[in-house]
Amino acid sequence: AQSVTQLGSHVSVSEGALVLLRCNYSSSVPPYLFWYVQYPNQGLQLLLKYTTGATLVKGINGFEAEFKKSETSFPLTKPSAHMSDAAEYFCAVTFTGGGNKLTFGTGTQLKVEL
Amino acid sequence: DTGVSQDPRHKITKRGQNVTFRCDPISEHNRLYWYRQTLGQGPEFLTYFQNEAQLEKSRLLSDRFSAERPKGSFSTLEIQRTEQGDSAMYLCASSSLHRGYSYNEQFFGPGTRLTVL
Repeated sequence: AQSVTQLGSHVSVSEGALVLLRCNYSSSVPPYLFWYVQYPNQGLQLLLKYTTGATLVKGINGFEAEFKKSETSFPLTKPSAHMSDAAEYFCAVTFTGGGNKLTFGTGTQLKVEL
Repeated sequence: DTGVSQDPRHKITKRGQNVTFRCDPISEHNRLYWYRQTLGQGPEFLTYFQNEAQLEKSRLLSDRFSAERPKGSFSTLEIQRTEQGDSAMYLCASSSLHRGYSYNEQFFGPGTRLTVL
């Protein structure tokens, strides 16, 4: 079985500050990890993904995440927050086989303040 | 690619009524997934198709729910005798092995928000 835990349902940062959103996963087989962003009343947009290879992955809008196997974590970071980053962020895990269905965390609402 | 589309975007219904949602995946995508997202939660898997075959259904998909993908293209999700607990956002996603993608990378539609009064 696989699961995802996102620590902090709400995170608030100042514009220009570092964004750090936490994600811990549990998977009995090598995972594939994703971060999605959701704006109000919209679907999910893929920010970035880790499948295999380099553990530091870069995504859209200046976000990046690092696969930390020993810590079973996949934190999402952005060096400098922008007002447009305010949204809800979901971490998700899947694995090859088993239909590749995604298991999501409960989400982190990011607020960016002036 | 025109992206995944869903119709309607919003649906308000009274308890006990039947509703049907439609999802049009990205063309050439042979996998199609349905997820449900309730307020304050992440999406939860409901079911998925590979071409026209429904390969897996979640325990969340009660007998009142039925999904079809008759020609391996668009899909419908029907809820019979709706209950207030069915109020949620219903998300559709599609994926494919074409163009170097993997089934893991799913592209989501905008969702259908269902409100049951």
